[in-house]
Amino acid sequence: QVTLKESGPVLVKPTETLTLTCTVSGFSLSNARMGVSWIRQPPGKALEWLAHIFSNDEKSYSTSLKSRLTISKDTSKSQVVLTMTNMDPVDTATYYCARIGSSGWYLAFDPWGQGTLVTVSS
Amino acid sequence: SSELTQDPAVSVALGQTVRITCQGDSLRSYYASWYQQKPGQAPVLVIYGKNNRPSGIPDRFSGSSSGNTASLTITGAQAEDEADYYCNSRDSSGVVFGGGTKLTVL
Repeated sequence: QVTLKESGPVLVKPTETLTLTCTVSGFSLSNARMGVSWIRQPPGKALEWLAHIFSNDEKSYSTSLKSRLTISKDTSKSQVVLTMTNMDPVDTATYYCARIGSSGWYLAFDPWGQGTLVTVSS
Repeated sequence: SSELTQDPAVSVALGQTVRITCQGDSLRSYYASWYQQKPGQAPVLVIYGKNNRPSGIPDRFSGSSSGNTASLTITGAQAEDEADYYCNSRDSSGVVFGGGTKLTVL
């Protein structure tokens, strides 16, 4: 059974750096073409893709947030880590990680973790 | 980056057929994937690729695409289908999501 679980702080202060960890099970981050993505959802709003990383260490970032994001993986720990610098109250959201299924024609997320709500407030 | 546009809200009578659409330039090159999200829950993939359903997704869910528009069709909508639905696709710089459609089953 494939599962993903997010962990990290529930509250961060403005200007601080957020570090989130996604721990996966049921698959290996070293498997060919395996990838994990981070996606967020502000309360009552739409999903927003943030970044992804593949087993070959290929990385991609949201154009609008690229300067603030870093994604990395630790295959031995089955973890994918996302850091976001200079946090602002508008970054308050539920942050999800999800496994990527893809071909040249599509990119889909399945399954998703349960999500972790991060609030940015002083 | 490109955008995907969805109608904010759609309603359907119980047992009837409903189509939820997603428009965007990226859909001329890539297939959309569709997600169902119920309140307080993580999204669940319901359609991916040309028209593929993950295991466990009822066959009343189907997908199609034409030009810059992708569609999710629910044939014989059930009460449990009431949810928010999101589309996404690849684009030139990564991934893009639609703004979501709230489906009400009357």
